Amino acid sequence: DAKTTQPPSMDCAEGRAANLPCNHSTISGNEYVYWYRQIHSQGPQYIIHGLKNNETNEMASLIITEDRKSSTLILPHATLRDTAVYYCIVRALTQGGSEKLVFGKGTKLTVNP
Amino acid sequence: DGGITQSPKYLFRKEGQNVTLSCEQNLNHDAMYWYRQDPGQGLRLIYYSQIVNDFQKGDIAEGYSVSREKKESFPLTVTSAQKNPTAFYLCASSIDSPDRGHQPQHFGDGTRLSIL
Repeated sequence: DAKTTQPPSMDCAEGRAANLPCNHSTISGNEYVYWYRQIHSQGPQYIIHGLKNNETNEMASLIITEDRKSSTLILPHATLRDTAVYYCIVRALTQGGSEKLVFGKGTKLTVNP
Repeated sequence: DGGITQSPKYLFRKEGQNVTLSCEQNLNHDAMYWYRQDPGQGLRLIYYSQIVNDFQKGDIAEGYSVSREKKESFPLTVTSAQKNPTAFYLCASSIDSPDRGHQPQHFGDGTRLSIL
């Protein structure tokens, strides 16, 4: 079962910032938040991950609330190529103790011209 | 360039037939994973392997089998026992470190399997 909640869809104007929210109210203290995106008929692409501090890389910024129950992925200047399904994921463990990623349905982001 | 290669991109299976999906990586990653994605859904874990000659069942392993004879390769066989095999299959790999929380999984571009 997915441990995160995301809005099913969002729209953003090209050139503007896209802010994608995610709720993960049951997150454990040592669990990381990952963000991936998937363009139609391709494999998911890793974007960013974090534990409790805000993170930034060349693709995006990740803002995690102080209580870690929610986070926001920010694409600072969205382009048409950013149209994709965005997944917010909390790492989970298999029965054998290894890591697995539990993907929910994600947010379909549409960037409009 | 390093990456994960899945082949074929499209595959068709006849009733009662086994088919094998290929996954190769040149990232020198220890761990490899197979996921299944159905239309409009997230990914579900089928099998994973942390080291050569070892693999573990994921959440939906029934009707599937894998092998891990080489670090670079993790083929998935969809057997005739899998009654609903039509799906998008994704292979992933990651560095297996004691602190796995820092190591993202990287994905191939998938194989789309359909039933004839």
